[in-house]
Amino acid sequence: AQSVSQHNHHVILSEAASLELGCNYSYGGTVNLFWYVQYPGQHLQLLLKYFSGDPLVKGIKGFEAEFIKSKFSFNLRKPSVQWSDTAEYFCAVQSYSSASKIIFGSGTRLSIRP
Amino acid sequence: DGGITQSPKYLFRKEGQNVTLSCEQNLNHDAMYWYRQDPGQGLRLIYYSQIVNDFQKGDIAEGYSVSREKKESFPLTVTSAQKNPTAFYLCASSPLAGAYNEQFFGPGTRLTVL
Repeated sequence: AQSVSQHNHHVILSEAASLELGCNYSYGGTVNLFWYVQYPGQHLQLLLKYFSGDPLVKGIKGFEAEFIKSKFSFNLRKPSVQWSDTAEYFCAVQSYSSASKIIFGSGTRLSIRP
Repeated sequence: DGGITQSPKYLFRKEGQNVTLSCEQNLNHDAMYWYRQDPGQGLRLIYYSQIVNDFQKGDIAEGYSVSREKKESFPLTVTSAQKNPTAFYLCASSPLAGAYNEQFFGPGTRLTVL
């Protein structure tokens, strides 16, 4: 069965620190990949997505993610975090064989110290 | 203003009662989804619907039921058979069923069973 692993459950950083959140998935076929963010009290919203093409994708608010097919990974990065980045981040995978379903990881809570 | 609405935001019920959560979208999306979010477990798919009058079970459908009589509405009933119903429930939609689009989420309903 498909699964998505986010190994960091809670990450605490100071403002201006660099961020990398890990995401690995288990599925051998072609996939679409997503990062969603849930700010406190707000809707879950799309941060960025990868469907095909350049494996380095850029999203909103200065976030980017790199798809490394050989490692089954799609790590999220930001060079300099802000206090407003405090949120929960979810990695998600959609396989071409079951495109109606998106499998979500367990989430990483990011806390930024001002 | 297009979007997904879920009501109510908070819901309290006594054990043994069925309860129905509302989800409405005015985005003209074909596909709609229900997820359950528990701390440390991410989002788990309960049911999804790709077209009116049709729906499929997700990964944790036991104790839940849905209907899709109208394109814009996808209510979820949490029945007394659901062993642990207290959770945060998220409704989502996407433009085309089976196509490679992200899902758009509503604000969620927090259900507490006393």
